[in-house]
Amino acid sequence: DAGITQSPRHKVTETGTPVTLRCHQTENHRYMYWYRQDPGHGLRLIHYSYGVKDTDKGEVSDGYSVSRSKTEDFLLTLESATSSQTSVYFCATGDRASTDTQYFGPGTRLTVL
Amino acid sequence: GENVEQHPSTLSVQEGDSAVIKCTYSDSASNYFPWYKQELGKRPQLIIDIRSNVGEKKDQRIAVTLNKTAKHFSLHITETQPEDSAVYFCAAIISGSARQLTFGSGTQLTVLP
Repeated sequence: DAGITQSPRHKVTETGTPVTLRCHQTENHRYMYWYRQDPGHGLRLIHYSYGVKDTDKGEVSDGYSVSRSKTEDFLLTLESATSSQTSVYFCATGDRASTDTQYFGPGTRLTVL
Repeated sequence: GENVEQHPSTLSVQEGDSAVIKCTYSDSASNYFPWYKQELGKRPQLIIDIRSNVGEKKDQRIAVTLNKTAKHFSLHITETQPEDSAVYFCAAIISGSARQLTFGSGTQLTVLP
């Protein structure tokens, strides 16, 4: 499965605390994405990156920020977690230059109490 | 932006029967349509894709058809097996554009033995 890892894989936190999720890839893909998956909503794009320090918002970006200081790492931060951010978060990578295919990481299950 | 609708949300079939999942898209400029399969607790994985210059594509028991005029595309699974039970997502994108993949809301397929 494309060399994409996510950490942590599971996290339980309390409302109001900051949370950072990490995505690491060894594929040297230019594009990286953060999605959240909730029942009935499929995969919704939070933020994406098209290069080091180049990021843009997706359809559900409120309450989230991202950073990409190296090609291989893409961080998703919840500055002050809320219960509505309880979800499964997937990172994905892709090389839009040659294909639009996206490869997904194993996911992080986040529970905000 | 693009909007992708997917039907049905759940589908149960008897083992050996065929299954069909349909998606419609709103942006006539979309030209790349992948399908992802997500087994329980696992990451989404690409199973087949089609580009707008092709009307049909097959890979063993799975096939995808595209009707550009009607702006819909379908996934066909023949001779279903229990291991086909999963959530299937369709998606659409304008290849090479600045836009990102838009996913349908998913179809839970259950193959009954």
